[in-house]
Order: sequence, then C-alpha cells, then structure tokens
Amino acid sequence: AQRVTQPEKLLSVFKGAPVELKCNYSYSGSPELFWYVQYSRQRLQLLLRHISRESIKGFTADLNKGETSFHLKKPFAQEEDSAMYYCALLTQGGSEKLVFGKGTKLTVNP
Amino acid sequence: NAGVTQTPKFRVLKTGQSMTLLCAQDMNHEYMYWYRQDPGMGLRLIHYSVGEGTTAKGEVPDGYNVSRLKKQNFLLGLESAAPSQTSVYFCASSYSFRGINEQYFGPGTRLTVT
Repeated sequence: AQRVTQPEKLLSVFKGAPVELKCNYSYSGSPELFWYVQYSRQRLQLLLRHISRESIKGFTADLNKGETSFHLKKPFAQEEDSAMYYCALLTQGGSEKLVFGKGTKLTVNP
Repeated sequence: NAGVTQTPKFRVLKTGQSMTLLCAQDMNHEYMYWYRQDPGMGLRLIHYSVGEGTTAKGEVPDGYNVSRLKKQNFLLGLESAAPSQTSVYFCASSYSFRGINEQYFGPGTRLTVT
C-alpha cells in the first residue's frame, strides 16, 4: 500500500535557523516524490520534485530509498517560509494519482 | 490565463441539500482532480478524471458524484449534504505526471454543512 507520513504536524523555528521537514513513504514501485506548499490564503503550489534535483527558495530535498525518506531542508529559514508543507507520492500504473501526507505547518519566528 | 478556477468560493448548506461545485481550467490539461482538505488529514482525493467523459473514484468518494462532460470542466456534486462534508474542496489539473508535470490547484471552496 502507498502511504506518505509526515510525523510533525507543527514545526516552529527561529529566523536564520536550519529547518528540516520530515517525510517518509511506503511504496512498492519506483517512487516519485514532491513537496507542495500552501502559504496563508493562497492555493497549493509545487515547491519541488525529486526528479528535478532542484533547489527552490533555498529548499532542497533528497530521496533516500534506503530510509524511504524525502526530507525537505533549508539551511537558514526565513519568516516568509511560514506555510503548510505537504509531501506527496506519485502512484503509477495507468491512473496516476498523488498521495499526500497530512502536512506540516512551519512557523518561522522573528 | 486564469489557470484553475473554482465556483463558488464559499457556501453554507443545510443537511440534505444538494449543490454542485464547478472547476474550470484553461490549460488544456487532460487530468483533473477533486480533493478535500481537513485539519490533520491533509488532502484526500475524492474523484479524478483522466480525460473528457471519464471519471474514477479516489480515496474518499462516498457521498460525491462527478462529471467531465467538457475537457475544461470538472463538476463535483453533493446530492444530500451531511455535516461530515464540511471541508475545503480543492480542484487540480495536470497534463500527466511522469515526474515532469505538476498539478495546478484552484483557490478552494469552503463548504459548511449545518
């Protein structure tokens, strides 16, 4: 069964501190993973995807197949990073769908 | 380019009433999705469509019906609303995944059932 686990509902850090949002997955196939972000009063939007190996807004995420993890990291958090973050797993096989984790609300304090 | 739009933005229903939520996209996307977002539950897929005239059940389809008569529109219907359907509903669309394309989300519809 496919499952995405985000163990932290809430995460609070101070501005300038490193931040790591955890994501673990369970999937029998080859995983394709994403991070979506929802800023206050805005729609969900894609932050990054593992296949692109990109860094967006200073965030990076590395797929670790051995630990089945896709943690999101940023070395120096900014107040504008405060948002809801969702990790998502693409399920494949004809009817491709995203399975979302329950989300982590990040608050960056001044 | 409006992207993905949803109508209405807010709605209050009484138990047993019916309503239809409209999602429209102008990006010529094949895939469209309806999710509900509840505190502590994340986003859960209600129904989805891989093309005009096709629909399929997602994770939480009970109590909802959908139709995709036109490629650009995806309708979500509640035939007899229940308080458990109080939620924020998001529509999304995409070309396809394949790790390349992303889902584009609408602004959401906040529904309250009393």
